[in-house]
Order: sequence, then C-alpha cells, then structure tokens
Amino acid sequence: DAGVIQSPRHEVTEMGQEVTLRCKPISGHDYLFWYRQTMMRGLELLIYFNNNVPIDDSGMPEDRFSAKMPNASFSTLKIQPSEPRDSAVYFCASKGGQLAELSYEQYFGPGTRLTVT
Amino acid sequence: GNSVTQMEGPVTLSEEAFLTINCTYTATGYPSLFWYVQYPGEGLQLLLKATKADDKGSNKGFEATYRKETTSFHLEKGSVQVSDSAVYFCALSDRAGGTSYGKLTFGQGTILTVHP
Repeated sequence: DAGVIQSPRHEVTEMGQEVTLRCKPISGHDYLFWYRQTMMRGLELLIYFNNNVPIDDSGMPEDRFSAKMPNASFSTLKIQPSEPRDSAVYFCASKGGQLAELSYEQYFGPGTRLTVT
Repeated sequence: GNSVTQMEGPVTLSEEAFLTINCTYTATGYPSLFWYVQYPGEGLQLLLKATKADDKGSNKGFEATYRKETTSFHLEKGSVQVSDSAVYFCALSDRAGGTSYGKLTFGQGTILTVHP
C-alpha cells in the first residue's frame, strides 16, 4: 500500500488567496483526520471524519477553514482567505480496518508545508 | 476531558546513553496508549502501543509500560543511537463510545538529539 498521500508537499501563497490541501487515505480505512503542526501550538486536531461524515470539527480555528470528504478515497482542507498565521505543516491521517480497531492506530501522511506571505 | 503531559524538552544525549521520556495522562475512560515518532521532514509514525494495564509495548529497542495506578506510559531505551534523533509524541485514544471515539489526544512532543 502507498500509505496516506498528501498533495501538494509544499505550498507558498500570498495572504488573501485560497489554498486547497488534498489527502488520499489508505484504502479501506474509514476514519480520516486533519491535523496542523506549528512550533507554538504543537500538533492540533482540526477535524475528523468517519465514513465520509464529519464527526468533530471543534478544532477548526475559524470559518475561513473548511473540510470535505466527498468519497472514501479523497478529502480536502480549504483555507479562504489565507493569512500568514495559517503557515504550518498540515497532516492528514487515516485509521480503520478490523485489526486496527483494537489499537486505534492512525497512519499519517508526509504533510503539506504551507507558507502564507 | 482527556489530556497528555510529556516531560519538557529538548533532550540531548550522547550515543549509547540511557533514555527516559516521561508521559502521564488524564482520561475519563480506559484508554489505549501510544508513542509516535516524527523524523525530520516526515509525518508521525507509530513507535509502540499498549492497550491495557501492565502491557509493555516495544519496538526498535524502545519500551513503555502501561501503568494504570500512576497513569503513566514512560518511554525508555537502554542505548540510544544518532538515528534516534527525532520528536517523540505520547498519545492516548478512547477505546469506545462518545464523540471522541477513534480520536488521538497528543502530548506536546519531546525533541531528542543524540550526538556521536
């Protein structure tokens, strides 16, 4: 399996522009998570989905952030408009499968490094 | 709610030294416990896990024991290598039920640097 795939790996954009981050979870996984990592705040859970349905979006910082999961193999995290304080590494992770239910292991993608100037 | 507290870093050691990174937790239920490792420029990888009290998780020479009485899950390694330099995260997950089902709560991470 290719693991969790994220694109792009790096994104540089100007303040006010729309940014879309993409994630393809591991096939067969039914949970998908979006995280943000910064030096100041560490690793934060933004939102997660189960069977393509958002379960908990309490970590989404504000209305500028939105996430969708139109099908089991694709999710997007959109920031509109972007601001310099959104600069961070954004990770997608997935979980699922019969054995994983016992250990709740999440598999992380390589991340997207976002820089907003 | 759930929370995880890790010892403050960064931690700097010489090769072959003994490593301990402390982790304590607060949970409303009976969680599963994890250590994740993040190498430079990469995402997090599961290092080891334990799902019930007194279980010992181990991998790549690292060990951690689930201590319910002290609500702890300290990470240890007897002899570290330069290649162990990374950020280590302690985490817990509710086992079932509620809106937090399946969700991981992470500690703040501990940066480990090992010198030759």
